[in-house]
Amino acid sequence: DSGVTQTPKHLITATGQRVTLRCSPRSGDLSVYWYQQSLDQGLQFLIQYYNGEERAKGNILERFSAQQFPDLHSELNLSSLELGDSALYFCASSVGDRGLHGYTFGSGTRLTVV
Amino acid sequence: AQTVTQSQPEMSVQEAETVTLSCTYDTSENNYYLFWYKQPPSRQMILVIRQEAYKQQNATENRFSVNFQKAAKSFSLKISDSQLGDTAMYFCAFMKPGGSNYKLTFGKGTLLTVNP
Repeated sequence: DSGVTQTPKHLITATGQRVTLRCSPRSGDLSVYWYQQSLDQGLQFLIQYYNGEERAKGNILERFSAQQFPDLHSELNLSSLELGDSALYFCASSVGDRGLHGYTFGSGTRLTVV
Repeated sequence: AQTVTQSQPEMSVQEAETVTLSCTYDTSENNYYLFWYKQPPSRQMILVIRQEAYKQQNATENRFSVNFQKAAKSFSLKISDSQLGDTAMYFCAFMKPGGSNYKLTFGKGTLLTVNP
């Protein structure tokens, strides 16, 4: 157990729907990072939050949004889902805002859009 | 933009033998960090080893060591005394510190199978 908790582990939904993925970082970590892993694109950085504020944005679609709450858990919202959004979504955390010692990853949420 | 290339999509090794996974990267930066992550069938990403570019000494973590060649922009991972539990996808990753973005850029991965 890495200490980073992601729920749910699996999610199956229909095209056009909206889902929310949840992440609780490791105790003491202030940064949360979201990554998308797919067969064709590999691991792609989506967004980073540090202590409640957006710190960096990557290849995140406009249909996707995220936030980090005062208790430091984070949610990734995916809307108007398309078949191509099917992927494994990882959350990771680090103590500071830089992750220079590497991130700690959760087990991921497997999203299947049908 | 930085790119990370892992030229070996799949590799296999016999238990107790040594295997080396290759990684090259492209950057114009002088200061950066390199990582190897392991993703077993359980799918969780696990940090294996980390290297700071300004340190010439190669990082070592038990059976895992790297060969960091800064001029060649090469960062290979050597696994000694391979164990069945080493079977996993291995990802090389690059991080350029500075500014507000400390994201990890990953390679496509190498699937390593350790055979009994």
